[in-house]
Amino acid sequence: GNSVTQMEGPVTLSEEAFLTINCTYTATGYPSLFWYVQYPGEGLQLLLKATKADDKGSNKGFEATYRKETTSFHLEKGSVQVSDSAVYFCALYSGAGSYQLTFGKGTKLSVIP
Amino acid sequence: EAGVTQFPSHSVIEKGQTVTLRCDPISGHDNLYWYRRVMGKEIKFLLHFVKESKQDESGMPNNRFLAERTGGTYSTLKVQPAELEDSGVYFCASSPLGAEDYEQYFGPGTRLTVT
Repeated sequence: GNSVTQMEGPVTLSEEAFLTINCTYTATGYPSLFWYVQYPGEGLQLLLKATKADDKGSNKGFEATYRKETTSFHLEKGSVQVSDSAVYFCALYSGAGSYQLTFGKGTKLSVIP
Repeated sequence: EAGVTQFPSHSVIEKGQTVTLRCDPISGHDNLYWYRRVMGKEIKFLLHFVKESKQDESGMPNNRFLAERTGGTYSTLKVQPAELEDSGVYFCASSPLGAEDYEQYFGPGTRLTVT
């Protein structure tokens, strides 16, 4: 079956530090890949997506590249801000008759001034 | 445009009691999904409605869970009787029918605590 593995948290960084959150996946076919973010007290929001190999998703300074050869979709940001503190979820959608998203466990990021 | 709303935001009940969670999707979204996150674990799919029909309920854990979407608008998820392991955050999501209907819009979740 499909699965997503992302690095365990929590992750604590100083403001302006570089962020990487690793995500690897197992899926049949050619899944679409997503990063969702949950800010404190809010719902999940789609942060970025990539629908085919070598696509790069980007939003709000975050980037992730769909690497089929390594089955990875690592999230990166060059300079984090306190406002980036949230829980980040990597997810995939494989289609094939099912519309369900498969999520990783989430990584809690705290950014300190 | 209003987002996905869920009610209540928190619920604390005793084991054996019944709880009903409600989800109002974005207006016009025919797809509606329920997910659950047990503490520290993945967010897991429960089921998917297209309008009022259950399209996929492969993630429903057992027959203590009953989901409905009468009229194809809002949905309810009833847990009866609740067990301790049902504690977690229940998310609802919706999406329009169409080419990119894998892009799901999530609500804030209902935190359920069973004591």
